[in-house]
Amino acid sequence: GAVVSQHPSWVICKSGTSVKIECRSLDFQATTMFWYRQFPKQSLMLMATSNEGSKATYEQGVEKDKFLINHASLTLSTLTVTSAHPEDSSFYICSASSGNSYEQYFGPGTRLTVT
Amino acid sequence: GQNIDQPTEMTATEGAIVQINCTYQTSGFNGLFWYQQHAGEAPTFLSYNVLDGLEEKGRFSSFLSRSKGYSYLLLKELQMKDSASYLCAVRRGNRDDKIIFGKGTRLHILP
Repeated sequence: GAVVSQHPSWVICKSGTSVKIECRSLDFQATTMFWYRQFPKQSLMLMATSNEGSKATYEQGVEKDKFLINHASLTLSTLTVTSAHPEDSSFYICSASSGNSYEQYFGPGTRLTVT
Repeated sequence: GQNIDQPTEMTATEGAIVQINCTYQTSGFNGLFWYQQHAGEAPTFLSYNVLDGLEEKGRFSSFLSRSKGYSYLLLKELQMKDSASYLCAVRRGNRDDKIIFGKGTRLHILP
């Protein structure tokens, strides 16, 4: 149990375009979902926290207008990188929490490359 | 502020024991996690400590001292597949479930 999926697993896009990444909890209801970004050989940096049906809470330094997060249901959250630039190239990972356990369950990650 | 420190890299020999230390200073504490992450993959859960003491799970053990803001992950009978990054992370708790990650320790296992 407690499986989280992400789609796509990798994506290449041109500079200036927008990319949407989906995060789904497959066998539990995720009251809270988290979005992380990880640059090569760096640790995970929390970008934002989203609760179903409410606006996401962004960490300091993360542009909310650039990284749009929508937590439309208890099993789906999306991250849209708008007007992507090469410096947005990174590994984006989501995690989900049901609120019933201390654990967060991580998705497999999405590798974004902006050319 | 938030500060989680762990060594950047460590090297150990197959079959040996290695201890990865982590110290933390965070605004709030509601548990400490250890995750394993292979390159290009998402982290996988190893352990969770919320009370002081040692938690043993197979070849892996994790220790916590809240008064010292200190934890370690102990890996025994090292195998080549244990070559990975090990992430120490603190859940601040109370109002939210945020987990703040340290920069990770890259562990290299030599044959």
